[in-house]
Amino acid sequence: IAGITQAPTSQILAAGRRMTLRCTQDMRHNAMYWYRQDLGLGLRLIHYSNTAGTTGKGEVPDGYSVSRANTDDFPLTLASAVPSQTSVYFCASSAAGTHTEAFFGQGTRLTVV
Amino acid sequence: GENVEQHPSTLSVQEGDSAVIKCTYSDSASNYFPWYKQELGKGPQLIIDIRSNVGEKKDQRIAVTLNKTAKHFSLHITETQPEDSAVYFCAANLNTGFQKLVFGTGTRLLVSP
Repeated sequence: IAGITQAPTSQILAAGRRMTLRCTQDMRHNAMYWYRQDLGLGLRLIHYSNTAGTTGKGEVPDGYSVSRANTDDFPLTLASAVPSQTSVYFCASSAAGTHTEAFFGQGTRLTVV
Repeated sequence: GENVEQHPSTLSVQEGDSAVIKCTYSDSASNYFPWYKQELGKGPQLIIDIRSNVGEKKDQRIAVTLNKTAKHFSLHITETQPEDSAVYFCAANLNTGFQKLVFGTGTRLLVSP
């Protein structure tokens, strides 16, 4: 069982370029999330989707967009990358409900130069 | 919105000692409090959680306590082992009808042999 898979594992990106981080889960979870992790700031929610076809903004959505065309995939797009978007990005998913475990991918380390 | 504070940011203990990590939250509507462990190069993984109708929960060497009145909850690890070394995150849910977590800033635990 793969669980939740992110790609790429790491990327160095020139400022101003467009980049899509991929996330796929095989657990048929309704909800999916994107977090960024920065030293001293913990995990901050960027965008979420509680079911296919719907998305919502999290704590730090500016500069990012998401789509949820189906249950399994939840890509995160940086339209025009800036150095402040250098971070480790984690995708997560959970089953429906408010007290369910969130399963995380292994992360994507993104450096914007 | 919810704000979660976590202390300490780093914690060093000798193998066999106990470790305690504390978190406070601001939103009295929060009713689910998970703890995640993140090993180097990996995504966070749930280790224990507690709901607001319970004051304490144990799972082998780990336990979590919750004080709803004071709005704080703590992770207790007894008989620490080197493999407990990791970053630990507390979280609290936003009571939005589906899973949406606000994370603390993390505690780096180092267990020395």
